[in-house]
Amino acid sequence: GENVEQHPSTLSVQEGDSAVIKCTYSDSASNYFPWYKQELGKRPQLIIDIRSNVGEKKDQRIAVTLNKTAKHFSLHITETQPEDSAVYFCASTPGTASKLTFGTGTRLQVTL
Amino acid sequence: NAGVTQTPKFQVLKTGQSMTLQCAQDMNHNSMYWYRQDPGMGLRLIYYSASEGTTDKGEVPNGYNVSRLNKREFSLRLESAAPSQTSVYFCASSVETGSGELFFGEGSRLTVL
Repeated sequence: GENVEQHPSTLSVQEGDSAVIKCTYSDSASNYFPWYKQELGKRPQLIIDIRSNVGEKKDQRIAVTLNKTAKHFSLHITETQPEDSAVYFCASTPGTASKLTFGTGTRLQVTL
Repeated sequence: NAGVTQTPKFQVLKTGQSMTLQCAQDMNHNSMYWYRQDPGMGLRLIYYSASEGTTDKGEVPNGYNVSRLNKREFSLRLESAAPSQTSVYFCASSVETGSGELFFGEGSRLTVL
């Protein structure tokens, strides 16, 4: 089955700096790559996703890039703010009728 | 619009006791899931139901059973709880399996003594 590795497990940045979280996947058939944000004590929520026919997608301060050849994708957060502090999970799936596999999460701390 | 509702939010069990976690969604989604979340382990899929009438094992099904009662409801049962099942459990739903957003419930914190 699919295996998703996520790095780093913890990341501390100063407010205003950028943060990058990287994930690799094993199944070359994977074609959908979402990112979830989980604030302390809350449920995970989707923040951005990308499909395999797209190399990059942006939504305000967050962006995701995908390299299908290398089988890795990354989350980029620019101009970080304290409210960006959370655990971020990447995930991937080969698509319809296939379940999502999550990475182990990255705890991002944005310090003042 | 309540989304995904799961109960109870907290539960303490003794080893060997049984319990059922309930989950309901009001978004007319076809697919429903049960995950467990442990520190450093991420979200691991226990069981899922791609559509009403079907259930399948995920990564960590041992010690659990599920029932897709109808399109709205998907329950998770622990027949004989063990300390290793101490975790936070999340129910989730999506329009279809493998595509599109997962909507999570608020989570259920289970402690097995």
